[in-house]
Amino acid sequence: SAVISQKPSRDICQRGTSLTIQCQVDSQVTMMFWYRQQPGQSLTLIATANQGSEATYESGFVIDKFPISRPNLTFSTLTVSNMSPEDSSIYLCSLGVAGVGEQFFGPGTRLTVL
Amino acid sequence: DQQVKQNSPSLSVQEGRISILNCDYTNSMFDYFLWYKKYPAEGPTFLISISSIKDKNEDGRFTVFLNKSAKHLSLHIVPSQPGDSAVYFCAATTESGQLTFGSGTQLTVLP
Repeated sequence: SAVISQKPSRDICQRGTSLTIQCQVDSQVTMMFWYRQQPGQSLTLIATANQGSEATYESGFVIDKFPISRPNLTFSTLTVSNMSPEDSSIYLCSLGVAGVGEQFFGPGTRLTVL
Repeated sequence: DQQVKQNSPSLSVQEGRISILNCDYTNSMFDYFLWYKKYPAEGPTFLISISSIKDKNEDGRFTVFLNKSAKHLSLHIVPSQPGDSAVYFCAATTESGQLTFGSGTQLTVLP
Protein backbone atom coordinates (compact mmCIF):
# COMPACT_ATOMS: atom_id res chain seq x y z
CA SER A 1 0.00 0.00 0.00
CA ALA A 2 1.07 3.60 -0.60
CA VAL A 3 2.95 5.58 2.01
CA ILE A 4 1.36 8.95 2.72
CA SER A 5 3.16 11.72 4.57
CA GLN A 6 1.99 15.12 5.70
CA LYS A 7 3.88 18.22 6.73
CA PRO A 8 3.75 19.76 9.22
CA SER A 9 2.49 17.19 11.69
CA ARG A 10 1.26 19.97 13.95
CA ASP A 11 1.41 23.74 14.22
CA ILE A 12 0.21 26.56 16.41
CA CYS A 13 -0.70 29.67 14.46
CA GLN A 14 -1.91 33.17 15.13
CA ARG A 15 -5.30 34.41 14.07
CA GLY A 16 -5.29 36.00 10.62
CA THR A 17 -2.32 34.07 9.27
CA SER A 18 -2.29 31.24 6.72
CA LEU A 19 -0.82 27.76 6.83
CA THR A 20 -0.03 25.45 3.93
CA ILE A 21 -0.18 21.72 4.57
CA GLN A 22 1.63 19.33 2.27
CA CYS A 23 0.63 15.80 1.37
CA GLN A 24 3.09 13.52 -0.37
CA VAL A 25 2.37 10.01 -1.65
CA ASP A 26 5.08 7.58 -2.71
CA SER A 27 3.17 6.39 -5.78
CA GLN A 28 0.95 7.93 -8.39
CA VAL A 29 -2.69 7.96 -7.36
CA THR A 30 -5.79 9.04 -9.16
CA MET A 31 -7.83 10.50 -6.34
CA MET A 32 -6.70 12.65 -3.46
CA PHE A 33 -8.98 14.20 -0.89
CA TRP A 34 -8.69 16.65 1.98
CA TYR A 35 -10.67 16.18 5.20
CA ARG A 36 -11.09 18.10 8.41
CA GLN A 37 -11.77 16.65 11.83
CA GLN A 38 -12.84 19.29 14.31
CA PRO A 39 -12.44 18.52 18.01
CA GLY A 40 -14.82 15.77 19.10
CA GLN A 41 -16.40 15.52 15.68
CA SER A 42 -16.27 13.30 12.65
CA LEU A 43 -14.21 13.64 9.51
CA THR A 44 -15.69 16.06 6.99
CA LEU A 45 -14.65 16.15 3.36
CA ILE A 46 -13.35 19.57 2.34
CA ALA A 47 -12.57 18.92 -1.31
CA THR A 48 -11.32 16.56 -3.94
CA ALA A 49 -7.89 17.59 -5.21
CA ASN A 50 -7.85 17.29 -9.00
CA GLN A 51 -4.56 16.96 -10.81
CA GLY A 52 -3.99 19.88 -13.14
CA SER A 53 -7.30 21.58 -12.49
CA GLU A 54 -9.24 23.34 -9.75
CA ALA A 55 -10.30 21.32 -6.74
CA THR A 56 -13.91 20.29 -6.27
CA TYR A 57 -15.23 21.73 -3.01
CA GLU A 58 -17.97 20.38 -0.77
CA SER A 59 -20.82 22.48 0.49
CA GLY A 60 -19.62 24.90 3.12
CA PHE A 61 -16.03 25.06 1.87
CA VAL A 62 -14.72 27.64 -0.59
CA ILE A 63 -11.53 28.07 -2.56
CA ASP A 64 -10.70 31.45 -1.05
CA LYS A 65 -10.58 29.94 2.41
CA PHE A 66 -9.06 26.56 1.51
CA PRO A 67 -7.03 26.88 -1.70
CA ILE A 68 -5.76 23.51 -2.90
CA SER A 69 -3.06 22.67 -5.37
CA ARG A 70 -2.27 19.35 -7.01
CA PRO A 71 0.55 19.85 -9.49
CA ASN A 72 1.11 16.13 -10.07
CA LEU A 73 -0.21 12.69 -9.13
CA THR A 74 1.89 12.35 -5.97
CA PHE A 75 1.60 15.74 -4.25
CA SER A 76 -1.05 18.13 -3.02
CA THR A 77 -1.25 21.13 -0.72
CA LEU A 78 -4.09 22.58 1.31
CA THR A 79 -3.86 26.14 2.57
CA VAL A 80 -5.96 27.31 5.49
CA SER A 81 -6.25 31.06 4.90
CA ASN A 82 -6.93 33.93 7.27
CA MET A 83 -7.23 31.53 10.16
CA SER A 84 -9.50 31.89 13.16
CA PRO A 85 -9.74 29.70 16.28
CA GLU A 86 -12.66 27.87 14.63
CA ASP A 87 -10.16 26.45 12.12
CA SER A 88 -8.43 24.51 14.88
CA SER A 89 -8.75 20.94 13.63
CA ILE A 90 -6.92 17.94 12.37
CA TYR A 91 -6.49 18.16 8.61
CA LEU A 92 -6.02 14.89 6.73
CA CYS A 93 -5.28 14.00 3.17
CA SER A 94 -6.38 10.69 1.76
CA LEU A 95 -5.97 8.81 -1.45
CA GLY A 96 -8.44 6.69 -3.29
CA VAL A 97 -8.07 4.09 -5.96
CA ALA A 98 -10.52 4.07 -8.84
CA GLY A 99 -12.88 1.15 -8.57
CA VAL A 100 -11.97 0.50 -4.94
CA GLY A 101 -14.10 1.92 -2.16
CA GLU A 102 -11.39 2.24 0.44
CA GLN A 103 -9.46 5.43 1.02
CA PHE A 104 -6.13 5.55 2.79
CA PHE A 105 -5.30 8.40 5.08
CA GLY A 106 -2.20 10.34 5.92
CA PRO A 107 -1.18 10.85 9.55
CA GLY A 108 -2.90 14.22 9.77
CA THR A 109 -1.85 17.77 10.65
CA ARG A 110 -3.02 19.06 14.01
CA LEU A 111 -3.63 22.81 13.74
CA THR A 112 -4.27 25.08 16.69
CA VAL A 113 -5.20 28.69 16.02
CA LEU A 114 -4.79 31.13 18.89
CA ASP B 1 -28.24 16.50 8.20
CA GLN B 2 -26.16 13.54 9.33
CA GLN B 3 -26.35 10.84 6.71
CA VAL B 4 -24.25 8.42 8.74
CA LYS B 5 -24.87 8.16 12.46
CA GLN B 6 -23.07 6.46 15.27
CA ASN B 7 -25.27 6.99 18.28
CA SER B 8 -22.90 5.59 20.88
CA PRO B 9 -19.95 7.90 21.51
CA SER B 10 -18.26 5.32 23.71
CA LEU B 11 -18.24 1.61 24.51
CA SER B 12 -16.35 -0.38 27.15
CA VAL B 13 -15.87 -4.12 26.85
CA GLN B 14 -13.95 -6.70 28.83
CA GLU B 15 -10.99 -8.33 27.12
CA GLY B 16 -12.01 -11.56 25.40
CA ARG B 17 -15.65 -10.56 25.05
CA ILE B 18 -17.43 -9.36 21.93
CA SER B 19 -17.47 -5.68 20.94
CA ILE B 20 -20.42 -4.56 18.85
CA LEU B 21 -20.30 -1.13 17.25
CA ASN B 22 -23.37 0.16 15.49
CA CYS B 23 -23.99 2.55 12.63
CA ASP B 24 -27.14 3.83 10.91
CA TYR B 25 -27.46 5.64 7.61
CA THR B 26 -30.19 7.51 5.81
CA ASN B 27 -29.01 7.80 2.21
CA SER B 28 -30.29 4.87 0.16
CA MET B 29 -27.76 5.69 -2.57
CA PHE B 30 -24.88 4.47 -0.42
CA ASP B 31 -23.57 1.26 -1.96
CA TYR B 32 -20.36 0.59 -0.05
CA PHE B 33 -19.70 0.75 3.66
CA LEU B 34 -16.44 0.85 5.56
CA TRP B 35 -15.09 0.83 9.08
CA TYR B 36 -11.98 2.74 10.05
CA LYS B 37 -10.00 2.62 13.26
CA LYS B 38 -8.20 5.68 14.57
CA TYR B 39 -5.56 5.92 17.25
CA PRO B 40 -4.66 9.29 18.77
CA ALA B 41 -2.24 11.35 16.65
CA GLU B 42 -2.64 9.01 13.67
CA GLY B 43 -4.79 9.04 10.55
CA PRO B 44 -7.71 6.61 10.27
CA THR B 45 -6.77 3.11 9.22
CA PHE B 46 -9.05 1.08 6.99
CA LEU B 47 -10.37 -1.98 8.81
CA ILE B 48 -13.07 -3.77 6.85
CA SER B 49 -15.74 -3.01 4.26
CA ILE B 50 -18.92 -4.44 2.79
CA SER B 51 -20.73 -3.95 -0.46
CA SER B 52 -24.45 -3.29 -0.43
CA ILE B 53 -25.04 -6.56 -2.28
CA LYS B 54 -23.81 -8.52 0.73
CA ASP B 55 -25.06 -8.82 4.26
CA LYS B 56 -21.90 -10.06 5.95
CA ASN B 57 -18.17 -9.81 5.51
CA GLU B 58 -15.65 -11.44 7.80
CA ASP B 59 -11.94 -10.84 8.23
CA GLY B 60 -10.33 -12.61 11.15
CA ARG B 61 -11.70 -11.22 14.39
CA PHE B 62 -13.71 -8.56 12.56
CA THR B 63 -17.14 -9.10 11.00
CA VAL B 64 -19.34 -6.44 9.48
CA PHE B 65 -23.07 -7.02 9.12
CA LEU B 66 -25.31 -5.00 6.84
CA ASN B 67 -29.10 -4.79 7.13
CA LYS B 68 -30.19 -2.76 4.12
CA SER B 69 -33.87 -2.73 4.96
CA ALA B 70 -33.07 -1.19 8.34
CA LYS B 71 -30.23 0.94 6.94
CA HIS B 72 -28.04 -0.38 9.69
CA LEU B 73 -24.62 -1.89 9.89
CA SER B 74 -22.57 -3.21 12.75
CA LEU B 75 -18.98 -4.20 13.42
CA HIS B 76 -18.32 -7.20 15.64
CA ILE B 77 -14.91 -7.77 17.17
CA VAL B 78 -14.38 -11.20 18.71
CA PRO B 79 -12.48 -11.68 20.90
CA SER B 80 -11.77 -8.09 21.89
CA GLN B 81 -8.19 -7.22 22.79
CA PRO B 82 -6.75 -4.20 24.63
CA GLY B 83 -5.00 -3.16 21.41
CA ASP B 84 -8.42 -2.73 19.82
CA SER B 85 -9.01 0.33 22.01
CA ALA B 86 -9.43 3.19 19.54
CA VAL B 87 -12.05 5.37 17.92
CA TYR B 88 -14.02 3.49 15.27
CA PHE B 89 -15.59 5.39 12.39
CA CYS B 90 -18.30 4.04 10.16
CA ALA B 91 -18.25 5.45 6.62
CA ALA B 92 -20.32 5.10 3.49
CA THR B 93 -19.83 5.95 -0.13
CA THR B 94 -21.71 6.15 -3.39
CA GLU B 95 -20.34 5.72 -6.91
CA SER B 96 -18.66 9.11 -6.57
CA GLY B 97 -16.14 7.57 -4.20
CA GLN B 98 -16.52 10.32 -1.63
CA LEU B 99 -16.75 9.05 1.92
CA THR B 100 -19.31 10.22 4.45
CA PHE B 101 -18.26 9.47 8.01
CA GLY B 102 -20.13 8.90 11.22
CA SER B 103 -19.10 10.72 14.37
CA GLY B 104 -17.14 7.79 15.77
CA THR B 105 -17.32 5.47 18.78
CA GLN B 106 -14.52 5.29 21.32
CA LEU B 107 -13.97 1.62 22.14
CA THR B 108 -12.15 0.77 25.35
CA VAL B 109 -11.20 -2.85 25.93
CA LEU B 110 -10.51 -3.46 29.58
CA PRO B 111 -7.84 -6.02 30.54
